[in-house]
Formats: sequence, structure tokens, C-alpha cells
Amino acid sequence: QSALTQPASVSGSPGQAITISCTGTSTDVGTYNLVSWYQQHPGKAPKLMIYEVSERPSGVSNRFSGSKSGNTASLTISGLQAEDEADYYCCSYAGNSALVFGGGTKLTVL
Amino acid sequence: QLQLQESGPGLVKPSETLSLTCTVSGGSISSSSYYWGWIRQPPGKGLEWIGSIYYSGATYYNPSLKSRVTTSVDTSKNQFSLKLSSVIAADMAVYYCARLVVVFGNTVVGYSDYWGPGTLVTVSS
Repeated sequence: QSALTQPASVSGSPGQAITISCTGTSTDVGTYNLVSWYQQHPGKAPKLMIYEVSERPSGVSNRFSGSKSGNTASLTISGLQAEDEADYYCCSYAGNSALVFGGGTKLTVL
Repeated sequence: QLQLQESGPGLVKPSETLSLTCTVSGGSISSSSYYWGWIRQPPGKGLEWIGSIYYSGATYYNPSLKSRVTTSVDTSKNQFSLKLSSVIAADMAVYYCARLVVVFGNTVVGYSDYWGPGTLVTVSS
């Protein structure tokens, strides 16, 4: 069970759209539509932003969207805002009731 | 509103056992719709799933930690607990407890919808 691969950092200007990738394998991301995304501000607990690849929890802005193709999932944030600056983590079900996280991506809003 | 709160010693000596408890309020730990999990985050690093427990006591652990991890659940107190034995410096982290949503059958968990605020555990003599 290896960590999912995310870019260490991404950046964008206010109003722009950015995409964060999350690459796994055929034993996790590629097999299960159970990818979730979490936003974490410094010193805070992670917050669920996307579940089951593309579903948004109640209260999460529709500027956040998710998708998946093969072994790679993606989180897109449109209309970037200063408050979106945070760390983002993907997570996938990996079989046998196990979960695996990505290494995290630091989003900087320029 | 569901709330989770971690508690336990913030300092553990190397080779000793780390013990944490998560108290759940605003909802029942005995629901068949959820697992209860532990996730940790070393300072400046990413998240790592440690393990999950069902109200029935069924447990699942990260293979990399399995030999040192034990979890338990106390439905009468609405609490679940983590024990990590033989700790080393690399076990120093913020430890989070979280609710994990069952999405299929009673073993497939999809995501964590509620998290505790986390507690920092330092490993030092």
C-alpha cells in the first residue's frame, strides 16, 4: 500500500482555475470510485471537500469539482479565492477496508 | 452536530506505548453506517491512515503499522481508543480521530466526514 502521488505544490491567481492530480494504481484509484479530497488549513483538521470522486458535501462551494480517469483522480478549483490557499489531500479506498492518502499539495493563491 | 475529541498524553517515551481515546458526542458510535478511524500527520508531512474500527469490534489496520497497533471501542462510553506500541521518534505526529462512512456492505469505507481537532504526540525521553 503506497501513498498516492500528488504534486507538491500548485499555484494560481484569483479568479483562475487550477487542477490537482492524484495518481494511484489499479489496486486503489483505478478500481474504486471512492476517491475523496480534503482541504487543510494550517493548524486545522482536514475538511472533506469531495467524496466518491465527484460528489460535494453540503456546504462545499460548487467551485470545487472532482473527476477520475484510469488511475488518476483530479480536483479542480475554479474562480480561485484567497481562502482556497491550503493543503489538499486525496484519499482512496484500497481494498480490504484500507485507505491510502496522497502526499498532499500546497495550493498558493498568488 | 457530531463532534469528536482526542485525549491522551502529549508526551511518550521511546519504546513505550502511545494511548489515545476519542470521545464522540452528538451521535452514536454504534451506528452500522460508520467506522471510526485514526489518522496521523507528522509535523510538516502528509496524512497517514492508521486503522479503523467498527462498533462490533471489527478492526482493520495499515499493514505498515499492524504489528504495533491495537484499537478498541467502548459503546457504553461512546469512545474508541488507539494503542501504538514500541514508539519511536518517527511516530511523533498529530493524531486525528475521524468518522469513516461505510458506502457498501459493512466493510467498504469511502471517506471521512467528521474529524477531531487532533492532538500532538511527542516522542522523547
